[in-house]
Amino acid sequence: KNEVEQSPQNLTAQEGEFITINCSYSVGISALHWLQQHPGGGIVSLFMLSSGKKKHGRLIATINIQEKHSSLHITASHPRDSAVYICAVYSNYQLIWGAGTKLIIKP
Amino acid sequence: NAGVTQTPKFQVLKTGQSMTLQCAQDMNHEYMSWYRQDPGMGLRLIHYSVGAGITDQGEVPNGYNVSRSTTEDFPLRLLSAAPSQTSVYFCASNPSGTSALHFGNGTRLTVT
Repeated sequence: KNEVEQSPQNLTAQEGEFITINCSYSVGISALHWLQQHPGGGIVSLFMLSSGKKKHGRLIATINIQEKHSSLHITASHPRDSAVYICAVYSNYQLIWGAGTKLIIKP
Repeated sequence: NAGVTQTPKFQVLKTGQSMTLQCAQDMNHEYMSWYRQDPGMGLRLIHYSVGAGITDQGEVPNGYNVSRSTTEDFPLRLLSAAPSQTSVYFCASNPSGTSALHFGNGTRLTVT
């Protein structure tokens, strides 16, 4: 079993829908990262969390340390949000990566 | 600031050839790392460095060497390229292990 599991693997939605991507992990962590990889390949850091909730524009990330779970929400989704969203946890001085969630937003 | 600069963007090698992928950052970050990304798989750590003169192996280090003689540069060397090393390679840096990562644009390597 992978130490970091993301769900769903693939998600297709209509423009405007509320999107939730989940990340569960099985190790003790000191931080959790959410990143975005666009079809062109570049990877951008979205959030780094160790507790609670962070918001940036239409993106919201939450983490529940007790349940070892984090969610990334996108409100009022737009086709430009189409990308792969990656969760990674920092544990024992190393990053452990999820396999990513491929999101497609249709106009 | 240029951020993290990777060169080249694309490279084709024949089996057995060697080459160096360059990575440079201008943000004075202590932590630098190299990943490979293969279809259907998450990023896998090849080697990392927590400061100049300090490097360590990641999950998939075989066939790769690194050095960190300066804070800015972290080159990745392929000693004798194999088709299994066909992948997209990313270099990343951050000020510390728990801070946001900055990625280069990637190098797409094909070994024939």
